[in-house]
Amino acid sequence: ETGVTQTPRHLVMGMTNKKSLKCEQHLGHNAMYWYKQSAKKPLELMFVYNFKEQTENNSVPSRFSPECPNSSHLFLHLHTLQPEDSALYLCASSQFQADTSYEQYFGPGTRLTVT
Amino acid sequence: GQNIDQPTEMTATEGAIVQINCTYQTSGFNGLFWYQQHAGEAPTFLSYNVLDGLEEKGRFSSFLSRSKGYSYLLLKELQMKDSASYLCAVRDGDYKLSFGAGTTVTVRA
Repeated sequence: ETGVTQTPRHLVMGMTNKKSLKCEQHLGHNAMYWYKQSAKKPLELMFVYNFKEQTENNSVPSRFSPECPNSSHLFLHLHTLQPEDSALYLCASSQFQADTSYEQYFGPGTRLTVT
Repeated sequence: GQNIDQPTEMTATEGAIVQINCTYQTSGFNGLFWYQQHAGEAPTFLSYNVLDGLEEKGRFSSFLSRSKGYSYLLLKELQMKDSASYLCAVRDGDYKLSFGAGTTVTVRA
C-alpha cells in the first residue's frame, strides 16, 4: 500500500447507528487531518493531529469523535448522525515543518450517506 | 474569517489555455496551494506559491500577488484529462489550509 488509504469507501448508516472511518498513511508523515466535503462547498477542516496530539477541533459537533493511536492511523467515530452529515469525508497527511513548503496528501475519501 | 473566491465553472476547448483566478482575504498568509480533483477521487497537489511571481511546472503554471491577495492557475495545451475541479487553498499558519469552493473545468473536443 502506498500513499493515504481510507476505508470504507462508501458507507450508508441510519441516524442511530455507530460506525467508524479509518485512515492510514504510508508516507512517514507526522500530521493527519480530517476534512468534510459537501457538494459545491469548500473543504471544511474538522480535526488536525500533529504527532498524535489533537491540535485543531474546528467547532465540530460531538457526534464526530476522532482518534489517533499513532502517527500512521486516524479514525473518525460516528454516532447519532444527522442527514446533513452526508458528505465525502477526506483524510490527509503531511509533514509538519513550519518553515518548509509541504503539501497535504489526500486519501480517496469515504462517501457517507445518513438515512 | 477566511474568504477565498474562485469561479464556479469554466469551459474550454482541447488544446486551448484556461486561467483560473483565486482571490483571498485571510487572517494570515503562509503560502497558497492549488489542487486538482477528478470526480470521485482525492485532491492531488499541483502547485505551491509563497513568494510573488510565477511558478511553472510543465503545462501548469501558478502566479501569486500577495499585495493583491490574488493567484491564478494557468493550464496550457488543455487535454481531455484536465477536466476536473481545481481547488485554491491558503495556508494561514503552520499547517491549516482554508479552501475555496473549487472551479470545475470542462474541456471539450
